[in-house]
Amino acid sequence: AQTVTQSQPEMSVQEAETVTLSCTYDTSESNYYLFWYKQPPSRQMILVIRQEAYKQQNATENRFSVNFQKAAKSFSLKISDSQLGDTAMYFCAFMKQKGNSGNTPLVFGKGTRLSVIA
Amino acid sequence: DTGVSQDPRHKITKRGQNVTFRCDPISEHNRLYWYRQTLGQGPEFLTYFQNEAQLEKSRLLSDRFSAERPKGSFSTLEIQRTEQGDSAMYLCASSSGGRQAQYFGPGTRLLVL
Repeated sequence: AQTVTQSQPEMSVQEAETVTLSCTYDTSESNYYLFWYKQPPSRQMILVIRQEAYKQQNATENRFSVNFQKAAKSFSLKISDSQLGDTAMYFCAFMKQKGNSGNTPLVFGKGTRLSVIA
Repeated sequence: DTGVSQDPRHKITKRGQNVTFRCDPISEHNRLYWYRQTLGQGPEFLTYFQNEAQLEKSRLLSDRFSAERPKGSFSTLEIQRTEQGDSAMYLCASSSGGRQAQYFGPGTRLLVL
């Protein structure tokens, strides 16, 4: 079975600064995907960024980028130029690839609560 | 594309009552997932469908829980004889399969008194 560990229950960052959230995972699968989701207070889960395990290049989405270290099974999220609207719970998630159909249930970490301070 | 919708958004019930939640996925998404999220935790998988077929059920899904997706469109999750431990946020997500990500609805928050 797959497990996802987020070792930082809470973090804070000053507005406009950079912050990195950690995630490690354990799997024996070779084909899988990794995701970061954001859940603002009392609002729905939003996809932030995704990474295919077969790709060596780290994914980026505007101010969000990942550092994917496959051998170390590490998948950290870097948020640059932090904004007040980035305040949220951030969840790291793992999805194994199933044949050609791809999509299987997500396995989530416990989350990191990020507060951006003005 | 109106996103995933869930109804109701909040439900308060007494222990022992039955409740039913509905999820409408993004149109043309053939996969639909149910997750449960308790306070301070990440979502945990319950069950998922490809079209109308229920492909997998988690061990979390006791026999008091049943899910359906008639005609491969919306889905319902029913909890019979609710218990206080069922209090949680119930999340629905959909995807188009393949390598696509899952997109979540706003959730139904259940409180069992």
